[in-house]
Amino acid sequence: GQQVMQIPQYQHVQEGEDFTTYCNSSTTLSNIQWYKQRPGGHPVFLIQLVKSGEVKKQKRLTFQFGEAKKNSSLHITATQTTDVGTYFCAGIYGNKLVFGAGTILRVKS
Amino acid sequence: EAGVAQSPRYKIIEKRQSVAFWCNPISGHATLYWYQQILGQGPKLLIQFQNNGVVDDSQLPKDRFSAERLKGVDSTLKIQPAKLEDSAVYLCASSSRGDSSYNEQFFGPGTRLTVL
Repeated sequence: GQQVMQIPQYQHVQEGEDFTTYCNSSTTLSNIQWYKQRPGGHPVFLIQLVKSGEVKKQKRLTFQFGEAKKNSSLHITATQTTDVGTYFCAGIYGNKLVFGAGTILRVKS
Repeated sequence: EAGVAQSPRYKIIEKRQSVAFWCNPISGHATLYWYQQILGQGPKLLIQFQNNGVVDDSQLPKDRFSAERLKGVDSTLKIQPAKLEDSAVYLCASSSRGDSSYNEQFFGPGTRLTVL
């Protein structure tokens, strides 16, 4: 079945450092969504990417969709303590949505 | 705008017992999802409703899990009988998906189930 692999599983950074998480699929995605889940909380939608090669920015967050629509990345510039949480990608295959396992981000101040 | 409501927030039961979870989506949202999130993993879709019809229940363990959305609004998810491996957070989400593409999903706070 369809699967999205996310790496790394875990990253611990110093406040001010950059952070990137990657999402990979073996088959072509229709769209991809990104969610953030704070510790003890529920997933909150960040963005959806639709077009091949698409790049979207939200303040310090940059989202990219690969040209082949098989991979995506989320990059955070100059992390802050408020960025802590788990970042999930969710790949959409036709009418099926599949979440990755997530990347846990910890920020040391 | 009120968010997705779920109850109860926490439930502890013994294996082989039954349990039910309730979800009320955001008003006007046609699509409702139930996810199972095991600690350390991403949410796994159990069932997706479009109004009161089932769109996808391919990952629902139908021998013990059932779900309904009778009037196309709120929904219940039941486990009968529960197993130890059912311990997880059960998340409900809704979206205003109106066409063939996916829209943003709004998640409820979840129900944390512990099976002893």
